[in-house]
Amino acid sequence: NAGVMQNPRHLVRRRGQEARLRCSPMKGHSHVYWYRQLPEEGLKFMVYLQKENIIDESGMPKERFSAEFPKEGPSILRIQQVVRGDSAAYFCASSPQGLPTDTQYFGPGTRLTVL
Amino acid sequence: AQSVAQPEDQVNVAEGNPLTVKCTYSVSGNPYLFWYVQYPNRGLQFLLKYITGDNLVKGSYGFEAEFNKSQTSFHLKKPSALVSDSALYFCAVRVASGGSYIPTFGRGTSLIVHP
Repeated sequence: NAGVMQNPRHLVRRRGQEARLRCSPMKGHSHVYWYRQLPEEGLKFMVYLQKENIIDESGMPKERFSAEFPKEGPSILRIQQVVRGDSAAYFCASSPQGLPTDTQYFGPGTRLTVL
Repeated sequence: AQSVAQPEDQVNVAEGNPLTVKCTYSVSGNPYLFWYVQYPNRGLQFLLKYITGDNLVKGSYGFEAEFNKSQTSFHLKKPSALVSDSALYFCAVRVASGGSYIPTFGRGTSLIVHP
């Protein structure tokens, strides 16, 4: 019974490169959330997706960041032209439905380092 | 707007003593409250949640939390702390009203249990 999977676990990029972070939700879950965690700042919501739809992207920076959750395959968070300030841990979580009572199940995270 | 406050950045307790990690919230409408724990270099793990009913909620690893509507609090407690409980603890709130039900997380409280 695999949990939420994220890869890669660690990603190093140079400024200006692209970063692609992948998230496979738990089996049976069709709702995916992406968060960013910076030291001393807690967990910040970025985007909420359902299969083939972006439901809420209010926490996503307007430029360079995009997310998708295709019909087949994992959800992908894409950061173009990375800058040092993008260095953080990125977590995805999944839930079976989009209900407020749902428990979110988190992946192990991807730690992005921008050189 | 909804918000969560974890007033203590760090809580220190001796092994075997009771522990409390504090959480207060502010929402419009009925809250759904969650506690998660994060161990170093890991994702968040669900501990417990309050949806409705009994104000005392029991969760994983011997933790419990008490919902207090008048004080808008949801403090996490454990009767006897273990060194292995040392971790980062997050409180989160969601509301039952319309919208995408995005949870708001507190900044986290670092629990240190001393042998």
